[in-house]
Amino acid sequence: QKEVEQNSGPLSVPEGAIASLNCTYSDRGSQSFFWYRQYSGKSPELIMSIYSNGDKEDGRFTAQLNKASQYVSLLIRDSQPSDSATYLCAVNRGGGGNKLTFGTGTQLKVEL
Amino acid sequence: NAGVTQTPKFQVLKTGQSMTLQCAQDMNHNSMYWYRQDPGMGLRLIYYSASEGTTDKGEVPNGYNVSRLNKREFSLRLESAAPSQTSVYFCASSESGGIKAQYFGPGTRLTVL
Repeated sequence: QKEVEQNSGPLSVPEGAIASLNCTYSDRGSQSFFWYRQYSGKSPELIMSIYSNGDKEDGRFTAQLNKASQYVSLLIRDSQPSDSATYLCAVNRGGGGNKLTFGTGTQLKVEL
Repeated sequence: NAGVTQTPKFQVLKTGQSMTLQCAQDMNHNSMYWYRQDPGMGLRLIYYSASEGTTDKGEVPNGYNVSRLNKREFSLRLESAAPSQTSVYFCASSESGGIKAQYFGPGTRLTVL
């Protein structure tokens, strides 16, 4: 079992729809969770972080965390073609060093 | 602020050659990291430096060495490059003291022939 799992996609959604990206993790002791966006040929860019169970909203983005079920999700409302990218889920498992374990990413395509 | 910068952007090496990838950050971060990204493998941590003067191995350290030159700079050295080290290399930095987000540089695309 991978430590952080994401469906590789591509996930295709029409412009204006809600895109839902999911991530599961294996280490129950994981403490914090991050979503990064990566355009093709570019570096990962931080979108959101979440540490507590529940929802966290930032503009069109909502991160959801459920530690009991060991999953974290990212919702993108009113999806735009510019949201087309690969979304990386990253987990900090604690233990010092602020180390992150990344999933392999989900490719999102927003279609006109 | 430039954030995290990396040089070079592209590099082609022959098997057995050596090179050093440079990384610098101007965000006054204590912690710095080196990752490699391969198709289907995601980002994997090579080495990290929690603070100036300290370095530790990550998930895939074999074949690499690092130097934390000062608070701003963290370099990655390949002593004898192998085709398996063909990858995109990213440097990142973060604040220290608990769990902090990491911020990435633009990357170095390395090909080893």
